[in-house]
Amino acid sequence: DSGVTQTPKHLITATGQRVTLRCSPRSGDLSVYWYQQSLDQGLQFLIQYYNGEERAKGNILERFSAQQFPDLHSELNLSSLELGDSALYFCASSVASGTVSHNEQFFGPGTRLTVL
Amino acid sequence: GNSVTQMEGPVTLSEEAFLTINCTYTATGYPSLFWYVQYPGEGLQLLLKATKADDKGSNKGFEATYRKETTSFHLEKGSVQVSDSAVYFCALRSTGNTPLVFGKGTRLSVIA
Repeated sequence: DSGVTQTPKHLITATGQRVTLRCSPRSGDLSVYWYQQSLDQGLQFLIQYYNGEERAKGNILERFSAQQFPDLHSELNLSSLELGDSALYFCASSVASGTVSHNEQFFGPGTRLTVL
Repeated sequence: GNSVTQMEGPVTLSEEAFLTINCTYTATGYPSLFWYVQYPGEGLQLLLKATKADDKGSNKGFEATYRKETTSFHLEKGSVQVSDSAVYFCALRSTGNTPLVFGKGTRLSVIA
């Protein structure tokens, strides 16, 4: 158990719908990262938050957005869903230390999204 | 930009065979290098890491050495077990508290 929790574990929805994925980082971790794992694209970084502020953006679509709340949990919002958005979405957290490059990222179990 | 290339799978081995999964990277500066493992139905777990040239990361019988001259971080294990069946990801992190860049993953199946 990494200490990172994600809900829900599975999500099945229809095209055009909107969903929210939730992540709670490990206690004390200020950074949260979202990754998407799909069969064709592999594991891709979407977005990072640090202590409530957006820190870095990767290959995140405009239909997707995220935020980190004062209690440090994060939500990833996916809207106008398409079939191609079906994937496993992982959240990871790490201790924030801007100059330390080898801080481990701890991954949650993921949310499997299926768009029908 | 930064990138990681790892050998295509799937890899199928008999129990007690020797394992090598190749990983090479492209990055500016001096990245940290990682191997993550994903067991069926689970999230990613850090297997080992190396933070500077010539460092050797090791865990659970797996090893990888950070080779700056060949920009490689190959994963090895002397004797695999059925329980090692999983998907293995090589990853790098450039500097600071930045996101990981992953390879496409290599699926390993070990048969008894």
